[in-house]
Amino acid sequence: DVKVTQSSRYLVKRTGEKVFLECVQDMDHENMFWYRQDPGLGLRLIYFSYDVKMKEKGDIPEGYSVSREKKERFSLILESASTNQTSMYLCASSSETGQGYTEAFFGQGTRLTVV
Amino acid sequence: QQQVKQSPQSLIVQKGGISIINCAYENTAFDYFPWYQQFPGKGPALLIAIRPDVSEKKEGRFTISFNKSAKQFSLHIMDSQPGDSATYFCAARQNNFNKFYFGSGTKLNVKP
Repeated sequence: DVKVTQSSRYLVKRTGEKVFLECVQDMDHENMFWYRQDPGLGLRLIYFSYDVKMKEKGDIPEGYSVSREKKERFSLILESASTNQTSMYLCASSSETGQGYTEAFFGQGTRLTVV
Repeated sequence: QQQVKQSPQSLIVQKGGISIINCAYENTAFDYFPWYQQFPGKGPALLIAIRPDVSEKKEGRFTISFNKSAKQFSLHIMDSQPGDSATYFCAARQNNFNKFYFGSGTKLNVKP
């Protein structure tokens, strides 16, 4: 059974703290993603990575950074947490199939509250 | 700016009815259009997907209709059941990047 595991389901952090969200996948996928999910806005891409040590900005990268030192692990870093970063964060991984189809597998999400 | 526009934001359907969710896009570099289903407390999971060289794809009670010229696609859920109550997201993948753009989501409530 394929699995994307996010290290925490719920987190409460203080404004200004450095926050690490961890994600691990066991499917040997090349691509990994971080999204944030907000009501009425759907899923917005923060960063993605298509290989170890490679990263690309998504649509809303400001205030975030990422790290991918190993293929199976993709970390999202909030350098200095702010209240507007209170959200649900979703990690996903994907790999291209031979037929050109693909599927993004999601973790269960981390609900982060910044106070 | 939302790359994929989804409507309606919420939908209430009686059991046995048809649920229809619509999406539209502008970027012609999109080459793959999946739909995801999300239950409360869970991450989204792939429901059904279509490529633009096909106008319709059906899997059980779920059908995607795709209109390439209009840049629109829709999800139809036939014989809707209370167990279908979830949030549905359409998405589009930008080719060569395996990068997904998601719609804003539709919360479906199927009443018994």
